[in-house]
Amino acid sequence: GIQVEQSPPDLILQEGANSTLRCNFSDSVNNLQWFHQNPWGQLINLFYIPSGTKQNGRLSATTVATERYSLLYISSSQTTDSGVYFCAVPPVYTGTASKLTFGTGTRLQVTL
Amino acid sequence: DTAVSQTPKYLVTQMGNDKSIKCEQNLGHDTMYWYKQDSKKFLKIMFSYNNKELIINETVPNRFSPKSPDKAHLNLHINSLELGDSAVYFCASSHGGIGGKLFFGSGTQLSVL
Repeated sequence: GIQVEQSPPDLILQEGANSTLRCNFSDSVNNLQWFHQNPWGQLINLFYIPSGTKQNGRLSATTVATERYSLLYISSSQTTDSGVYFCAVPPVYTGTASKLTFGTGTRLQVTL
Repeated sequence: DTAVSQTPKYLVTQMGNDKSIKCEQNLGHDTMYWYKQDSKKFLKIMFSYNNKELIINETVPNRFSPKSPDKAHLNLHINSLELGDSAVYFCASSHGGIGGKLFFGSGTQLSVL
């Protein structure tokens, strides 16, 4: 099956700093999703991004499907950005039993 | 106005008991899922239903039985609970199968004592 790797595994930032999280995948994909799991455990879908760049406030994501990676940019980080960030991809050839593969996540801590 | 809601949020029970987790979505999605998140935060799919039909049934003990009475509901029943079942269980939904944007419920923290 498809392999999904995220880096870095852990990241500590001071409030106000910028960061880039990376998601590499081993096969062609039709789309990619980024999720944020906050410290209370809630999983929020940040981006659904097959290719190109999308922006949502201080966050933006870029997927380069041909090179099999996606980047999540966090600018002017805030303590509320803390949590775990996951990327997830489906295989490009989707049958009825296909499933999303999740990366192992990047744990982000934003300090004051 | 919660899009995907699951209950209960916390479930503490003794080994050997039977318990259920309920999930409902009001997004009009046709596909619903159960995911298990272990202590290392790894998310693993357990089941997927599309239009009430079971389409993914991962290697999960048959003590776990999903039931989808209609497209908007997917419940999870667990028999004879074991210590190793302790985890967070997430319900999720999407439109158009796995290619669709995935929305998660708030999770059920199951603790088996």
